[in-house]
Amino acid sequence: AQRVTQPEKLLSVFKGAPVELKCNYSYSGSPELFWYVQYSRQRLQLLLRHISRESIKGFTADLNKGETSFHLKKPFAQEEDSAMYYCAPSLNKFYFGSGTKLNVKP
Amino acid sequence: DTGVSQDPRHKITKRGQNVTFRCDPISEHNRLYWYRQTLGQGPEFLTYFQNEAQLEKSRLLSDRFSAERPKGSFSTLEIQRTEQGDSAMYLCASSLAGTGGDEQYFGPGTRLTVT
Repeated sequence: AQRVTQPEKLLSVFKGAPVELKCNYSYSGSPELFWYVQYSRQRLQLLLRHISRESIKGFTADLNKGETSFHLKKPFAQEEDSAMYYCAPSLNKFYFGSGTKLNVKP
Repeated sequence: DTGVSQDPRHKITKRGQNVTFRCDPISEHNRLYWYRQTLGQGPEFLTYFQNEAQLEKSRLLSDRFSAERPKGSFSTLEIQRTEQGDSAMYLCASSLAGTGGDEQYFGPGTRLTVT
């Protein structure tokens, strides 16, 4: 069965600190990996996808196929990064993790 | 095009009633997805269409749930004989099918409360 684990429900860091949001997945086949973000009172939106290898808003994500992980990182967190973050492997449809709420304190 | 839209945004209904939600995808997108999200959880896949064909349904989707996309444009999700456990946010997303995973664009959701 497909499974996505985001072990931290809540992650609080101070502005300027590094942040890492963990994601481990168990998935048959070779899914594409995504991170979606939901800011307060906004709809879910794409943050980044592995295949594009882009850095969006300073975030990057490293795919480790051996560990089946796709952790999201940012070296210096900003207050506007406070949001819910969802890891989502996809083969036609997404399987979302339960999400990590990132709270960046001033 | 203002993106994916959903109607209504909120629905309160009594147990046992039927409800229908509508989703209008981004116009050039050929895939349309329905997800359900409950408090503290990520969205759960329900079903998806490519054009008018319903290609997959989750085992979570009981017989009380039915979805249509009659002309390959908008879609409706109907829940018959609603139960309190159906209370959730129902999300619609659309994408342009490609190889591998597609970027999905989400609507604002319809929040259903069953009393």
